[in-house]
Amino acid sequence: GAGVSQTPSNKVTEKGKYVELRCDPISGHTALYWYRQSLGQGPEFLIYFQGTGAADDSGLPNDRFFAVRPEGSVSTLKIQRTERGDSAVYLCASSLNRDEQFFGPGTRLTVL
Amino acid sequence: GENVEQHPSTLSVQEGDSAVIKCTYSDSASNYFPWYKQELGKRPQLIIDIRSNVGEKKDQRIAVTLNKTAKHFSLHITETQPEDSAVYFCAASLNSGKLIFGQGTTLQVKP
Repeated sequence: GAGVSQTPSNKVTEKGKYVELRCDPISGHTALYWYRQSLGQGPEFLIYFQGTGAADDSGLPNDRFFAVRPEGSVSTLKIQRTERGDSAVYLCASSLNRDEQFFGPGTRLTVL
Repeated sequence: GENVEQHPSTLSVQEGDSAVIKCTYSDSASNYFPWYKQELGKRPQLIIDIRSNVGEKKDQRIAVTLNKTAKHFSLHITETQPEDSAVYFCAASLNSGKLIFGQGTTLQVKP
């Protein structure tokens, strides 16, 4: 079946703008995770959904970051007032049993 | 919170040799330890994982060992091939499912 997909693959924006990043998980996977990966680093946890609710948002760096998953499938990560330090690859992963996580290709965000 | 340390940061081996990457974790409650392979510009791919009730797991040329007492786990790749060249990440799960990753190891297999 289809894997995790993310759109857009690349996003270039200007400092101060608002961006939305989308994640389509594997069908039937109830758990969905967002991570951020900077160059040369491992993925850094942001937020985790179990169904529609955010089970753990302890990784969100500040209140400019917000994520939703209104119907328990697709999720959107929203970043307000973007800063140059937000530039990274944003990875989404989904899981059926909260162990094995399957990653999407990521969205490369560049804030100029 | 959990912290995962990974060593070495780079590893170069000759084709056919073995490669070993080691990780330590800080939270004794962690009970799931996956390894991911990431090629340049690609998504992380799960290659093997181990749970805390098992000491060793093997899948063809890849094996993982876990020492819960010492809180460390290792990835072993035997008979390395050039296509094994990539960045490898270990991770630990804090029961909730979120993964805490190590810093990564760049493996180069020389033909």
